[in-house]
This record gives sequence, structure tokens and C-alpha cells, in this order.
Amino acid sequence: GQNIDQPTEMTATEGAIVQINCTYQTSGFNGLFWYQQHAGEAPTFLSYNVLDGLEEKGRFSSFLSRSKGYSYLLLKELQMKDSASYLCAVTKAAGNKLTFGGGTRVLVKP
Amino acid sequence: NAGVMQNPRHLVRRRGQEARLRCSPMKGHSHVYWYRQLPEEGLKFMVYLQKENIIDESGMPKERFSAEFPKEGPSILRIQQVVRGDSAAYFCASSPPPGRETQYFGPGTRLLVL
Repeated sequence: GQNIDQPTEMTATEGAIVQINCTYQTSGFNGLFWYQQHAGEAPTFLSYNVLDGLEEKGRFSSFLSRSKGYSYLLLKELQMKDSASYLCAVTKAAGNKLTFGGGTRVLVKP
Repeated sequence: NAGVMQNPRHLVRRRGQEARLRCSPMKGHSHVYWYRQLPEEGLKFMVYLQKENIIDESGMPKERFSAEFPKEGPSILRIQQVVRGDSAAYFCASSPPPGRETQYFGPGTRLLVL
């Protein structure tokens, strides 16, 4: 089976940094994705980690440790528009289905 | 390059009716995935298809649900004899052939069963 855990909700202040953690226990692992989903909208792709380490993309960075079954998404210089749910998802093999965590709702306050 | 397209965006059905949800993948993408998102819950995988072939249907309910991706035309998710518990957002995602596996999501179809 697969178990993916992430916090349900986080609150942060505009301009600050927030780190969203994701831990997973899966029978087989290929890669880990982060998606952003605004209320009532489709998930949009943020990042994809296959190898250990940090991937930086503008204000967003994602980290993966395969040995620890752990990832985080780092959001810097928070903006009000970053208020959304952030979804962690894993795949067992290339081209395979995504298995999602429950999502973390981030609320950015002025 | 148009993204993943889904229609209708909103669908209202009465209990016992049929719902047909359509998905056209991004140009150049040959793999289609359907996911369901119940209110206040995470996305759950339903089925994975390539043209004329179901690859993985492990997330599909055993009854009333079916999916196809014909040689020509969009992928169809069909729900027969809908019940209130089928009310959800249904998202389609597409990806290129294996090796470049990022899945891109469509805007979803929000099904409401009265």
C-alpha cells in the first residue's frame, strides 16, 4: 500500500517563507511531484524530484530524500496569490498513476 | 498549444441518470488519467488509458463506471445510474509517452447529482 502524509493547513504572512513537509511510505517509488491547486480549479504542476537534493525554481524549491521517504516544498517571499492547496504525489514507475496526499491548505495573511 | 480540455465543466444529473465526461489530452500526449476529488478530500486515481487500451483501472469502482480512449476522439468517463455519492470533481490529466512523465491536468468536470 501507499501512505502519504502532509499537514492539513498552514498559515503564513505575506513576504515570509513557508515549508510544507511530505512523508511517504510506498511499495515502490519512482518520483515525487508537487502541485498547486486553487479552490475550484485544476492542479497545476510545480515540481518533480527523482533524485535526492534540492530543486530550485524561482520562489519555489522542492527537496527530496529517498532514504528518509521525505520531501518538502519551500515557498519564499510569499504573496497573497500563493494561498492555495499544495498537493504532494508519488509515482511507482515512469508514466504511472499519481498517488496523492490529502493536500496542505496554505493561507497567506497580509 | 492548447492544454488538456474537459467538457462539460459542470454537469447536473438526477439519481439514476447517466453522466458522460469528456477529456481531450494535450497535443502530442498519448496517455490519459482520470482522477476524482470528493468534497474536502484529496485526489484519487481512477483509471489510466492509452489509445484503445486500458492500462490500469485499479481505482475504478467495480460497478457503473467505465472509461474508454478510442483511436479517434476524446477519452470518455461514463457513470451509469448516478447516485448522490458520485457528486465530485472529475479531473483528467495527460502525459507524453513514458520517460517524460509529468501529468498536466484539465480544468475538471464538476458533477452534481440531485
